[in-house]
Amino acid sequence: NAGVTQTPKFRILKIGQSMTLQCTQDMNHNYMYWYRQDPGMGLKLIYYSVGAGITDKGEVPNGYNVSRSTTEDFPLRLELAAPSQTSVYFCASTPGGGNQPQHFGDGTRLSIL
Amino acid sequence: AQSVTQPDIHITVSEGASLELRCNYSYGATPYLFWYVQSPGQGLQLLLKYFSGDTLVQGIKGFEAEFKRSQSSFNLRKPSVHWSDAAEYFCAVGHLNFNKFYFGSGTKLNVKP
Repeated sequence: NAGVTQTPKFRILKIGQSMTLQCTQDMNHNYMYWYRQDPGMGLKLIYYSVGAGITDKGEVPNGYNVSRSTTEDFPLRLELAAPSQTSVYFCASTPGGGNQPQHFGDGTRLSIL
Repeated sequence: AQSVTQPDIHITVSEGASLELRCNYSYGATPYLFWYVQSPGQGLQLLLKYFSGDTLVQGIKGFEAEFKRSQSSFNLRKPSVHWSDAAEYFCAVGHLNFNKFYFGSGTKLNVKP
């Protein structure tokens, strides 16, 4: 029962570097989400996808890109890392839309120095 | 605009005492409501959900929540708190016709021995 798997768990980047946060789920869920969590701010939606080949922006998409080539995978890319992107990133999935509970990964803690 | 408010940032209760965590939402349609718990270094885990029907819902770990439409509230309760309940709790709202969820900023629960 892997559920939602995120890699890496921790990463330190230098300003201006790029990286991809990986997210994969084995539940055949159509809907997948990327959130960032900052202290005292709850979860902010970055991007989401309702199925392979379909993505849409959330509340805070600037500085990020996503793709969804398969049902299982939903990677998040940071092209030019900035200190403001220091955060904990969570990937989640649901079988349906806003009426289904989400399954979360354990997060990626990213620091940009 | 949709929003979720958790007015208490931190709450401290003694072990064995009762607990109530508040959640208020602003939503233009009948909401689907969720409570999640996050232990340190972990992702969010679903505690319970409300879709329709009985306004008092039971969840895991002895938690329950009551939906009050007139007050736009969905407060989480537990009759007797255990030290292992120390965590951060998030309220979230979704809708059948929308693909996104809105999260409160969270309430951190400390449990005194």
